[in-house]
Amino acid sequence: GQQVMQIPQYQHVQEGEDFTTYCNSSTTLSNIQWYKQRPGGHPVFLIQLVKSGEVKKQKRLTFQFGEAKKNSSLHITATQTTDVGTYFCAGPGMEYGNKLVFGAGTILRVKS
Amino acid sequence: DTEVTQTPKHLVMGMTNKKSLKCEQHMGHRAMYWYKQKAKKPPELMFVYSYEKLSINESVPSRFSPECPNSSLLNLHLHALQPEDSALYLCASSQLQGREKLFFGSGTQLSVL
Repeated sequence: GQQVMQIPQYQHVQEGEDFTTYCNSSTTLSNIQWYKQRPGGHPVFLIQLVKSGEVKKQKRLTFQFGEAKKNSSLHITATQTTDVGTYFCAGPGMEYGNKLVFGAGTILRVKS
Repeated sequence: DTEVTQTPKHLVMGMTNKKSLKCEQHMGHRAMYWYKQKAKKPPELMFVYSYEKLSINESVPSRFSPECPNSSLLNLHLHALQPEDSALYLCASSQLQGREKLFFGSGTQLSVL
């Protein structure tokens, strides 16, 4: 079945450093979504990318969708303690129902 | 109102108990979902309802029984659970089933003793 791989599993950065998480799908995706889950919280939708090569920015966050629509990245510039949490990518599957397939997530910790 | 409301927030139950988790949304979404999440893992899909009909059952054991009484409500009935069923149970909704973004509730942290 379809797989969505995400790396790294953990990232521990000093406040002010940059952070990137990468997502790779075994199949072409119609779109990719990113979610953030704070410690003790629930996943919150961040963004959806649809077009090949698309780049979107939200303040210090930059999201990219690969040309082949099989990979994506989330880059955070100058991390802050408020960025702490787990970042998940998710893509709709090709099988019935287009159910979202989540990556394993990247846990970000920020040292102040 | 862009919220998905889940109750209860915490639940402790014995293996012989029967309990229900409740979920409500008033965004007019026609797809509702139950996910199970273990610590440090991604959400794992259990059930999907589309237009109040069960659309996807991810081979979930029958001790979990979903119900969608109307377009705003989703329940998950629990009976004879096992300790390994302890997890965070998340409800989510989207406008339609498929490629839409998900709105998650805050979840029910379930402990089975």
